[in-house]
Amino acid sequence: DGGITQSPKYLFRKEGQNVTLSCEQNLNHDAMYWYRQDPGQGLRLIYYSQIVNDFQKGDIAEGYSVSREKKESFPLTVTSAQKNPTAFYLCATLGTVNYGYTFGSGTRLTVV
Amino acid sequence: KQEVTQIPAALSVPEGENLVLNCSFTDSAIYNLQWFRQDPGKGLTSLLLIQSSQREQTSGRLNASLDKSSGRSTLYIAASQPGDSATYLCAVRPVSGTYKYIFGTGTRLKVLA
Repeated sequence: DGGITQSPKYLFRKEGQNVTLSCEQNLNHDAMYWYRQDPGQGLRLIYYSQIVNDFQKGDIAEGYSVSREKKESFPLTVTSAQKNPTAFYLCATLGTVNYGYTFGSGTRLTVV
Repeated sequence: KQEVTQIPAALSVPEGENLVLNCSFTDSAIYNLQWFRQDPGKGLTSLLLIQSSQREQTSGRLNASLDKSSGRSTLYIAASQPGDSATYLCAVRPVSGTYKYIFGTGTRLKVLA
């Protein structure tokens, strides 16, 4: 059935390493989003894409990069420039009928 | 700039109690408002979506209302159960030409058996 798949569920990053978080959807939604969630804080928007081959920075884009080569896929790379990457990362899509968000199950990234 | 506030940050109630969670927003120019549930370590699950032209939406024991003019929404949970324990977040989509939702920080609910 339709949904959003985020992988991996848990990810460990060493200092100075780039890591990529996967987000795949089969909902046929155009718009996709990456959020970061820290304890005690709300969701903060990292990047979003309204259409293939186009994306915009959110509120906390520094140290992150994305690509949108296919409608179904919106991978997020956490680069070594991101100084505090330990967080819970959530991918979402925006529906085209009622314009509500659908979220994936998240990836927990930890720096070791 | 649109801001979304949820008060209280945490709430404990005995099982069976009816309860109301509050969400307020500063700019009434919104397309819609969405309520979510988040269990620990999980993603967000959509509960109810209210379009700006609607006053309320219902799903089972949940009822969400929207008063745009006052910048408020409430989520009413009837006959609460321990399984309702989770964090509840609201989010608004501003009429600003973008496709971004603005989230509150959530209310952490614990229903005691």
